[in-house]
Amino acid sequence: SYELTQPPSVSVSPGRTARITCSGDALPKQYGYWYQQKPGQAPVLVIYRDSERPSGIPERFSGSTSGTTVTLTISGVQAEDEADYYCQSADSSGETVFGGGTHLTVL
Amino acid sequence: QLQLQESGPGLVKPSETLSLTCAVSGGSISTSSYYWGWIRQPPGKGLEWIGSIYYRGSTYYNPSLKSRVTISVDTSKNQFSLKLSSVTAADTAVYYCASNSGNYYADYWGQGTLVTVSS
Repeated sequence: SYELTQPPSVSVSPGRTARITCSGDALPKQYGYWYQQKPGQAPVLVIYRDSERPSGIPERFSGSTSGTTVTLTISGVQAEDEADYYCQSADSSGETVFGGGTHLTVL
Repeated sequence: QLQLQESGPGLVKPSETLSLTCAVSGGSISTSSYYWGWIRQPPGKGLEWIGSIYYRGSTYYNPSLKSRVTISVDTSKNQFSLKLSSVTAADTAVYYCASNSGNYYADYWGQGTLVTVSS
């Protein structure tokens, strides 16, 4: 088993750039994925395979990776982006792990 | 587009077995593209992966829950199921089913169903 570590909270002003990090020793060997979850709703995939964006996800969402850290970047943050964000990874044996989640506050 | 819908009792007594079913529509569960998974979220807390299954029956479980979890698939009904035995209050959560692309990430989710463990 392995762990993924996220900051509990990130705050950003509208129009600025938010960066949410996710760290884990397994990440150099495995892809990172990101989900957005708004209150009372199921999570929505916003980034897969470190930096790929599913259809329908705004271009302001992007992902990157460096060493043991994957990063979700939201450029030109909007009020509707306020939500919880979870990173996730999975190994070749099928074991899946989620990070603890980061609450993004749009000031 | 795939749609998933969880169903099952919303209240389970301590020490009993939680049973949920996920109905899949908009596509066949017997596809090589997807695995089928369960994720849960205790109230006010984060997401926890429970496990997943391939339509041919291969299963993958969270090591911390493995001794209590069984996931099965019924291809004739296009659905898959979760059983969690010996439940306690700590198992109270919203339970989501999801399609797992290549068994790596969840791209379609059900709306979730709250299961409360209480006597």
